[in-house]
Amino acid sequence: GENVEQHPSTLSVQEGDSAVIKCTYSDSASNYFPWYKQELGKRPQLIIDIRSNVGEKKDQRIAVTLNKTAKHFSLHITETQPEDSAVYFCAASKGTYKYIFGTGTRLKVLA
Amino acid sequence: DAGVTQSPTHLIKTRGQQVTLRCSPKSGHDTVSWYQQALGQGPQFIFQYYEEEERQRGNFPDRFSGHQFPNYSSELNVNALLLGDSALYLCASSRGQGDGYTFGSGTRLTVV
Repeated sequence: GENVEQHPSTLSVQEGDSAVIKCTYSDSASNYFPWYKQELGKRPQLIIDIRSNVGEKKDQRIAVTLNKTAKHFSLHITETQPEDSAVYFCAASKGTYKYIFGTGTRLKVLA
Repeated sequence: DAGVTQSPTHLIKTRGQQVTLRCSPKSGHDTVSWYQQALGQGPQFIFQYYEEEERQRGNFPDRFSGHQFPNYSSELNVNALLLGDSALYLCASSRGQGDGYTFGSGTRLTVV
């Protein structure tokens, strides 16, 4: 069935270093890949997304890359700051139909 | 812009009872999706409503049902509650095929 695997489950980095979170999806028809940040007790918030006709997208310190052939996509955060500490979820979908979420990555940025 | 509004924010119910959760989508959004998020897990898709009809459904039993009203707001109903239904229930709204979801803050349901 449809599945999204996300790694690592936890990630600790020093402030200023980069963080990379990787996801693999199973449904080759997926064409939309959002990333959400969820702080403790709060709603998931969309931080960046990418569509299947694009290989890379950047927004300031955040970038997402997509490899459709391998069915991989990754989130890259550069110059990490303590406020980047949160749980990050990747998801895959076909348009805005159901999202299949990964299991989450708890990112800790150490000051 | 009020964003996505969910009510109530917290709820405690007894096994076997029924519960109704409510969601008002972001202004301009016409599609509402419901997700269940267990502690430490990613959100799991329950169903999606568009034009007052259930457009797609995840792997949830028939105890989970929903409704969308003409003003695009939505309800999630869960019958015969089980302890395992304890979770954060998230509502997300979207508009057509162009935008990603906007999530509400969720309803924390505890079944005792």
